[in-house]
Formats: sequence, C-alpha cells, structure tokens
Amino acid sequence: DIQMTQSPSSLSASVGDRVTITCRASQSINTYLNWYQHKAGKAPKLLIYTTSTLQDGVPSRFSGSGSGTDFTLTISSLQPEDFASYYCQQTYTTPRATFGQGTKLEIK
Amino acid sequence: EVQLVESGGGLVKPGGSLRLSCVSYGFTLRGYGMNWVRQAPGKGLEWVSSISSTSNFIYYADSVKGRFTISRDNARNSLYLQMDNLRAEDTAMYYCARDRPYSYDISGPTSRINWYDPWGQGTLVTVSS
Repeated sequence: DIQMTQSPSSLSASVGDRVTITCRASQSINTYLNWYQHKAGKAPKLLIYTTSTLQDGVPSRFSGSGSGTDFTLTISSLQPEDFASYYCQQTYTTPRATFGQGTKLEIK
Repeated sequence: EVQLVESGGGLVKPGGSLRLSCVSYGFTLRGYGMNWVRQAPGKGLEWVSSISSTSNFIYYADSVKGRFTISRDNARNSLYLQMDNLRAEDTAMYYCARDRPYSYDISGPTSRINWYDPWGQGTLVTVSS
C-alpha cells in the first residue's frame, strides 16, 4: 500500500499569512494527487486535482505543486474561511485511493 | 444544487449490522462511480469501498472486506453500504463521494486520474456495547 504522510499535522497561522502544507508518498505517484478541505460538520470539499488543477470555484490563493513523491499545497494569503483541515489523496492506485492523515490549520 | 445526502447511521452493538444510504440530488447517479470514505474520531480519512456505475466493478479496503457490501440502485439515485459483523474500530463518520466523470468503462477504471466531488456531509456510526 502507498502511504501518504502530511506535514505538519497542525499549524497555527494568522489571516494574511502564506501557508504551505506538504504531502509525501511512500513511492512515486506521478501527479495523481488531490487536495481536500474539510470543516467540522461539513462535507469535504475538493480544492485541487492532479497536483495543480484548481477545482471550479476555488479561490486562486490556493495552489498545488509537485510530482513523484513530494507535493505541496500553498495558500498565498490566508482568509478567515480557510481555517480547516486539509487532506491529500493519492489516486495512483485508484480506486484504492489513500489519504494523508490531515493537517489542521488553526488561527494564531 | 448537486449534492449527496447520507443516512442510516446510529448506535449498534459489536457484531451487529447497519445499512447506510446515500441519495444524489441535482444529478443522476447512473453515470458515475461512487465511493464510501470514513473518518474515525480524531483520525484522518480512510477509503472504504468503491463501485462502478454499472456495479460491474467493486472494491473494498482490507479492513472491511468480507463484512461490508457496497451496492447501488441507479433508478433510485441511491448508493448503499451494508455493514455486518461491526466492530468497535468501525466507529466513524461515513461519507459517500462521487468519482470524476467516466472513471470506469467496460474494462474497469479508465485512468489513474480520479477525484471525489461532491461529498455528502456524512452519517455517524457508533459501535459500542
């Protein structure tokens, strides 16, 4: 099985900050990597698919990059509505997709 | 509005059974592969099971194989998860999620490219005596 490791597990930041979350795969997954945002009590939301393609309606302050085993999600200027948990997902082994353990982004 | 709504969660004793449902609104379930994903308390997301649009291809995580059964009724725009022989470690919020378009053909998954959108808000399953 491909293991996905996110770092950090939690992060405190302020509105306006630039934030980067990292996701590392235990083997190469090419660019088959998605990012989701999850707020408590809500449905998870697709942000970025295939490493860097922004889902329709997602603000351009979100961006993704990487390939192979190392990937990043960047939020260029944090907004109050961005405080949530973020998950990466590899689909190299689709349909047996696996997720990272999550990064909780909190207000400093 | 395109959305998925889960139901059927609840409190069940170890060894018991539950059947979860997921209904689509704003789109026809027929054309899409579908998935169940769960999140145990304080944990991350875990893929549970997937089913192709025609039910020809079905997959399970090792942790639920032999105990859970995924199915669908396209005429009712509904997805199901029959959960038998439940264990304490199955306690989680269960989400249904839709594949990208054309994720399967007659041979199986069409590509490693896939994503889940939309997701439902989840239904809580608690396994406890």
